[in-house]
Amino acid sequence: DAGVIQSPRHEVTEMGQEVTLRCKPISGHDYLFWYRQTMMRGLELLIYFNNNVPIDDSGMPEDRFSAKMPNASFSTLKIQPSEPRDSAVYFCASNMALSNQPQHFGDGTRLSIL
Amino acid sequence: SQQGEEDPQALSIQEGENATMNCSYKTSINNLQWYRQNSGRGLVHLILIRSNEREKHSGRLRVTLDTSKKSSSLLITASRAADTASYFCATDEEDSWGKLQFGAGTQVVVTP
Repeated sequence: DAGVIQSPRHEVTEMGQEVTLRCKPISGHDYLFWYRQTMMRGLELLIYFNNNVPIDDSGMPEDRFSAKMPNASFSTLKIQPSEPRDSAVYFCASNMALSNQPQHFGDGTRLSIL
Repeated sequence: SQQGEEDPQALSIQEGENATMNCSYKTSINNLQWYRQNSGRGLVHLILIRSNEREKHSGRLRVTLDTSKKSSSLLITASRAADTASYFCATDEEDSWGKLQFGAGTQVVVTP
């Protein structure tokens, strides 16, 4: 069974450029989460979706960040324009139900903004 | 903000020894989960323990939960070099509708 698939695995780009991160959740999972991991702040929840609908985006740092889920098998996290402080590892996770269920993580996208 | 705080921050042991790490949290929870993260990889779920459970086992892993002290522990018995990883606790708070709050993690190194 394929796990959560994220692309690209690594992204290096210059400040001001648009960055798009992609995620394919596990088939049949109704919830999709986007996290950011840094040494300073640890693992932070940015936004999560239920049945393709954004439910809570209170963790999105600012308007430069946006996320979409056009269908059950695909989600994107976009940063425009990117800044050096956005450098982090971004994870996507999915699960079957919101509570009392483990989350399944992808291997992340390591983003470096120069 | 981080809910769980792991202790110790880092742990170095030899193969065959047991590794114990602790997690403290602040609010009432539905469940507490432990995850492992190998270098350069995503988090992998290990164990979920519900608020009405006190102990749970999975292979060489043993998790305890003390809701009165708001703390949990993860014990890895007979550790192996492959157990080298960071271990995170995550709390599912009562009013958070399933959103997880992750701690800063314990970095475990197991030397052969």
